[in-house]
Amino acid sequence: DAGVIQSPRHEVTEMGQEVTLRCKPISGHDYLFWYRQTMMRGLELLIYFNNNVPIDDSGMPEDRFSAKMPNASFSTLKIQPSEPRDSAVYFCASSPRTRSRTDTQYFGPGTRLTVL
Amino acid sequence: RKEVEQDPGPFNVPEGATVAFNCTYSNSASQSFFWYRQDCRKEPKLLMSVYSSGNEDGRFTAQLNRASQYISLLIRDSKLSDSATYLCVVNLRTGGFKTIFGAGTRLFVKA
Repeated sequence: DAGVIQSPRHEVTEMGQEVTLRCKPISGHDYLFWYRQTMMRGLELLIYFNNNVPIDDSGMPEDRFSAKMPNASFSTLKIQPSEPRDSAVYFCASSPRTRSRTDTQYFGPGTRLTVL
Repeated sequence: RKEVEQDPGPFNVPEGATVAFNCTYSNSASQSFFWYRQDCRKEPKLLMSVYSSGNEDGRFTAQLNRASQYISLLIRDSKLSDSATYLCVVNLRTGGFKTIFGAGTRLFVKA
């Protein structure tokens, strides 16, 4: 089975440009998460979806960030306009709906974003 | 105070050593607990879930103490391939679903 797929793997852009990150979750998973990882702040949850509906976006840093999930197999995270402090690795993860205690999240390989 | 705190490390140990990592969490609504492993420039991957009764997977043992809000991971007979960052993860279910990652503990196993 394919895991979580993210694209692009690397993105270098200039300040002020729009950046769109893409994610394809594991088929059948009901939850999708977007995280950001930096050396200073570690791994931070930005937003998560359940059955394509955004449930909690309290981790989104500011209005420049937006996320969508138009269907069960695709999600985007958009930054407009981008700033140098947005430079980080952005991970997408998915999780199956489960009645057990083990709400395991499966991470994609990440997108390494550099904003110059 | 951070919601999930870990030993910062790094831990430098020789092959074959036993090493233990600790993690504390502050929210009593925490319901499920995990250890993830992250290799350099890679994504986090689940190492093991942590149950109240304690659980073991080969050389790895995880324990949970709900009263003290404390989680531990013990690695026996360390291998070079165990070198990585170990992330303590807590899931809260308070109406929604909130996952909190610790900052991670770096482990270097040397020959």
